[in-house]
Amino acid sequence: SQQGEEDPQALSIQEGENATMNCSYKTSINNLQWYRQNSGRGLVHLILIRSNEREKHSGRLRVTLDTSKKSSSLLITASRAADTASYFCASGARQLTFGSGTQLTVLP
Amino acid sequence: DTAVSQTPKYLVTQMGNDKSIKCEQNLGHDTMYWYKQDSKKFLKIMFSYNNKELIINETVPNRFSPKSPDKAHLNLHINSLELGDSAVYFCASSQLGREKLFFGSGTQLSVL
Repeated sequence: SQQGEEDPQALSIQEGENATMNCSYKTSINNLQWYRQNSGRGLVHLILIRSNEREKHSGRLRVTLDTSKKSSSLLITASRAADTASYFCASGARQLTFGSGTQLTVLP
Repeated sequence: DTAVSQTPKYLVTQMGNDKSIKCEQNLGHDTMYWYKQDSKKFLKIMFSYNNKELIINETVPNRFSPKSPDKAHLNLHINSLELGDSAVYFCASSQLGREKLFFGSGTQLSVL
């Protein structure tokens, strides 16, 4: 079964708007990671948040973690057309388990 | 220099054939992985090797056999290919104890 499930499956916004993607997971975690995948490419690590952290920032990215609800969110502020990609959350102790991602389309 | 490189990028073959995908990492990592991504983009781990030793072997048909000649290489050999094997296969690496994975650009396998 999937450890992480992203929501929504697809999101389309205008350039300059903020994009929020959510992730739910099932078991206890040490940390949760977000990855980005451009079309036809491999996944690229974006940010990691540890289980004792509630919020983390990196540039235009903001990640929150709610361990009581077993959920995380990724916010991309002031989106750009180049942010168009699939975004995955991943977690797991012995191995990283990914969901099926959120496809983000940023329209110019 | 590409950190994790896998070849070929595209592989088109007939059912029943045997094929291999190669992966190399130049990051000095001690752990390498194979993931399979299906048409719905769901990414599932297949194998993990640490210092050439198999540490994760998920429920994968034994037609799939990974081989790690050294800790910088992890190849995937697939026997008797089936239509359902069509997917994108990703190699990844990490340093054990550090959670971040580095991915290759994927091999698109199409079985006809």
